[in-house]
Amino acid sequence: AQSVTQPDIHITVSEGASLELRCNYSYGATPYLFWYVQSPGQGLQLLLKYFSGDTLVQGIKGFEAEFKRSQSSFNLRKPSVHWSDAAEYFCAVGDGGGADGLTFGKGTHLIIQP
Amino acid sequence: AAGVIQSPRHLIKEKRETATLKCYPIPRHDTVYWYQQGPGQDPQFLISFYEKMQSDKGSIPDRFSAQQFSDYHSELNMSSLELGDSALYFCASSIRLNEQYFGPGTRLTVT
Repeated sequence: AQSVTQPDIHITVSEGASLELRCNYSYGATPYLFWYVQSPGQGLQLLLKYFSGDTLVQGIKGFEAEFKRSQSSFNLRKPSVHWSDAAEYFCAVGDGGGADGLTFGKGTHLIIQP
Repeated sequence: AAGVIQSPRHLIKEKRETATLKCYPIPRHDTVYWYQQGPGQDPQFLISFYEKMQSDKGSIPDRFSAQQFSDYHSELNMSSLELGDSALYFCASSIRLNEQYFGPGTRLTVT
């Protein structure tokens, strides 16, 4: 069964500093990987996705993520965070073979210090 | 751009009552997914439909059922509600094999 691990429950970053959120997955084949962001009481917004090809993918709001098969990782990065980036971030994996549900990690809560 | 529409946005029910949640996918999306997110939890996949046929099934209780209609909207029917069913229920839609776009959610409170 597929699974996703986000090792950091909370991360605190100063505004303007760089950010990296970790995600490790367990999946037998080539996974379809996603990062979603959720503000309190809101829906999930897709930041970026990896299906195949270039292992460094660019997303919205200045985010990027790198797929590393050897490490089973798909870490999310941003060079300079803004206060508005404070939210819950979820990494998710899907098999892409059909209309299958995603498996989410437990999420990382990002706090931005002024 | 059009997004996934869910109704109602908030719903309060008593134990043992029934509830129906509705989802209207993004136009031309043919696949609908339902997720349940408890307080402080990650979303848990319940069920999905592709072209009006059930496609995948996750941790959906037997008390719940769902279907997708000819216009591609979907309804999640929940019976014999329990306190533990209180959660955010998300619908997502996609064009098959592509990324899922989530709606704003329905917050269900069971008292």
